[in-house]
Amino acid sequence: DAMVIQNPRYQVTQFGKPVTLSCSQTLNHNVMYWYQQKSSQAPKLLFHYYDKDFNNEADTPDNFQSRRPNTSFCFLDIRSPGLGDAAMYLCATSSSGGLQETQYFGPGTRLLVL
Amino acid sequence: AQSVTQLGSHVSVSEGALVLLRCNYSSSVPPYLFWYVQYPNQGLQLLLKYTTGATLVKGINGFEAEFKKSETSFHLTKPSAHMSDAAEYFCGTSYGKLTFGQGTILTVHP
Repeated sequence: DAMVIQNPRYQVTQFGKPVTLSCSQTLNHNVMYWYQQKSSQAPKLLFHYYDKDFNNEADTPDNFQSRRPNTSFCFLDIRSPGLGDAAMYLCATSSSGGLQETQYFGPGTRLLVL
Repeated sequence: AQSVTQLGSHVSVSEGALVLLRCNYSSSVPPYLFWYVQYPNQGLQLLLKYTTGATLVKGINGFEAEFKKSETSFHLTKPSAHMSDAAEYFCGTSYGKLTFGQGTILTVHP
């Protein structure tokens, strides 16, 4: 089945230690998104790629970076994680980014910062 | 900015009872509206969406929602709740980007 895969499902890192979360998709979608979801809150868009074009949300901290080496893979890099970055990180895809399109979400990576 | 408001952060129903989850949007232009469901420690899954056309939208798992422009609402309903419906539900609008309401946790008790 076509799907969005996130690895690992759970990630533990230390305060200030860089961490990378990965997302892959078999849907061959052009657009990939990263959301941050803190406990009991709605997912919040961090940034997205339309093909190779990177689009950062205005309020996304500089501590968060992303890479998309090819259509299938997208990475979220947190350069110096703080305690406030502990959250669920959701990757999603859509075919061409149209506003009416469905976004397909992966199962998420839960990040714990010690 | 366009937004959605979900009334009630927690809703509890008995198995077999009607499910009603409320969502209101703020927009001068009718937006695209979505309902997603999130099971514990999982990603979001689309239940249904309204883009254009018929205002009563049917989704998966027996859910439906009606777009009411006069009330700026897009409430989610299901005639008979199942235990498996227990989850968190997010209403969303994509005027510009996909933005979610704060979510409603649905509890279904026997």
